Amino acid sequence: GEDVEQSLFLSVREGDSSVINCTYTDSSSTYLYWYKQEPGAGLQLLTYIFSNMDMKQDQRLTVLLNKKDKHLSLRIADTQTGDSAIYFCAEETNSGYALNFGKGTSLLVTP
Amino acid sequence: EPEVTQTPSHQVTQMGQEVILRCVPISNHLYFYWYRQILGQKVEFLVSFYNNEISEKSEIFDDQFSVERPDGSNFTLKIRSTKLEDSAMYFCASSKGGNTEAFFGQGTRLTVV
Repeated sequence: GEDVEQSLFLSVREGDSSVINCTYTDSSSTYLYWYKQEPGAGLQLLTYIFSNMDMKQDQRLTVLLNKKDKHLSLRIADTQTGDSAIYFCAEETNSGYALNFGKGTSLLVTP
Repeated sequence: EPEVTQTPSHQVTQMGQEVILRCVPISNHLYFYWYRQILGQKVEFLVSFYNNEISEKSEIFDDQFSVERPDGSNFTLKIRSTKLEDSAMYFCASSKGGNTEAFFGQGTRLTVV
């Protein structure tokens, strides 16, 4: 199938904002998700957005959705060193029974 | 907080051997999934399972793979005759509904030698 696209690396300084971008493929996805994977760990659901919304804020996290361009972004305010991880964007497949992941963006937060 | 648990965390097996990866989904979840992540690559969907049957599977999930819910708590992935290219991290996940957020386990790292 088509790929969910993400940039592979992002480096920011502690205290700055991080913006991770994603282009998805399936316009019928009901939900779009962001997962976080710390080194050696599993996938942690970070946040998700319903496709009828264009923005969702959850503490330091802001998700923006542009359905016309199939573009999803995750903004992390006041980024901390503990935010260093790989962030995966995921869309639902047509059936809704599976997730199609991007390759992940590796976020490095430097002091 | 309820979580998906997977065992073992790491398994090494010889090529051609059968392996069974085990998962205990969150207890009130009805949908169960297996995904895999080959080192350095993206997380790929393998199979979803609901009401004791496969609801969807990917091209990766060929005849070498099978899933089972042998009792009320476990969900297993069996690979009948492992190949070198089966080496990957295998993630189990569960969700309450088909279109609701899936919670993932910590993964089992399978190494085929």
